[in-house]
Amino acid sequence: GENVEQHPSTLSVQEGDSAVIKCTYSDSASNYFPWYKQELGKRPQLIIDIRSNVGEKKDQRIAVTLNKTAKHFSLHITETQPEDSAVYFCAAVFSGGGADGLTFGKGTHLIIQP
Amino acid sequence: GAVVSQHPSRVICKSGTSVKIECRSLDFQATTMFWYRQFPKQSLMLMATSNEGSKATYEQGVEKDKFLINHASLTLSTLTVTSAHPEDSSFYICSAGKAGLETQYFGPGTRLLVL
Repeated sequence: GENVEQHPSTLSVQEGDSAVIKCTYSDSASNYFPWYKQELGKRPQLIIDIRSNVGEKKDQRIAVTLNKTAKHFSLHITETQPEDSAVYFCAAVFSGGGADGLTFGKGTHLIIQP
Repeated sequence: GAVVSQHPSRVICKSGTSVKIECRSLDFQATTMFWYRQFPKQSLMLMATSNEGSKATYEQGVEKDKFLINHASLTLSTLTVTSAHPEDSSFYICSAGKAGLETQYFGPGTRLLVL
């Protein structure tokens, strides 16, 4: 099955700086890679996703890059703000055209220092 | 939108009892729903895939006789934790996706505490 590794486990950055979280996956068949943000005690919220036919996707301060050859993908958050503090999870799955069970990374606790 | 609800939000029960958790897609139909479990400060682990009108598919290591899943309609899946024990205490979260799309929307989760 799929295995997703995520680094770092904790990331502390100054407000206004950029944050980068990296994930690698094992199954070359995986073709859908979402990123979720989870605040303490709450549900995971989808913040951005990318499909394997695209190398990069951007949505305002958030971007995701995908390297299929190396089987890794990264989340980039620019101009970080205090409200960005949360746990971020990457995930990977092979999708045949619909939703499929996700394999998650272990999460990154992002701390934005004021 | 794509709203998923869960009920109850938290439950405390005695060891040996059974607990039912409901997951509903409020504004869309979901032929497939997913159940995840999240222990404190850990990641989400897929437990099973719930298919409307057919048997659920369980991940390796998840006991199907202990975690009963029923997906009786296109908007409702239930997870019953049978004969719960303290080690079953966890955050149980469901998700659902719209037909033909990969995006999954998560419910708010149910915090189960077994005494």
